Amino acid sequence: GEDVEQSLFLSVREGDSSVINCTYTDSSSTYLYWYKQEPGAGLQLLTYIFSNMDMKQDQRLTVLLNKKDKHLSLRIADTQTGDSAIYFCAEALSGYSTLTFGKGTMLLVSP
Amino acid sequence: EAQVTQNPRYLITVTGKKLTVTCSQNMNHEYMSWYRQDPGLGLRQIYYSMNVEVTDKGDVPEGYKVSRKEKRNFPLILESPSPNQTSLYFCASSANRGRGNEQFFGPGTRLTVL
Repeated sequence: GEDVEQSLFLSVREGDSSVINCTYTDSSSTYLYWYKQEPGAGLQLLTYIFSNMDMKQDQRLTVLLNKKDKHLSLRIADTQTGDSAIYFCAEALSGYSTLTFGKGTMLLVSP
Repeated sequence: EAQVTQNPRYLITVTGKKLTVTCSQNMNHEYMSWYRQDPGLGLRQIYYSMNVEVTDKGDVPEGYKVSRKEKRNFPLILESPSPNQTSLYFCASSANRGRGNEQFFGPGTRLTVL
């Protein structure tokens, strides 16, 4: 079955880079997502990558996909205190809208 | 403004008292879904709907009902709530064809069942 695993907690200093890792089990996953949840709010899509891509860059965000190892990472450059949130990795199969989420990684950015 | 709205945002109730959490979206999305979020368990899907009158179970459907009579609304019904349904609930919607099937989430409903 589908399963998405993430580390639960990451702490960094402001200005450093953050790397949040995720592994998934379903090799037929076509879309892989990163969502951000700020305190007291719902989830917002940060970025996504198709399975035929290895890397996607969007301003301070870089997503790397290793299909062989089923490993997805999100790198946030120049991390700011406003980046403190819970980050969810999610996968979806082609043609479906159902997402399978990881448990989330809490990122804490200290000044 | 494109959004998903949920009501109520906070609810405290007692065991066995039927309740409904409403969800509405104004983006003409076909797909809608309900999730619950619990500490250490992340988001788990309760029910989803691919379109009007089409609903299906997610990973944790026990104790919940849904209906999809109109495209914009997808209420979550707890016929006889129990304390283990105390949780944070999110409704989400997406177009079946869209930017990577991006799901738009509501602000959440925090439910406490005593």
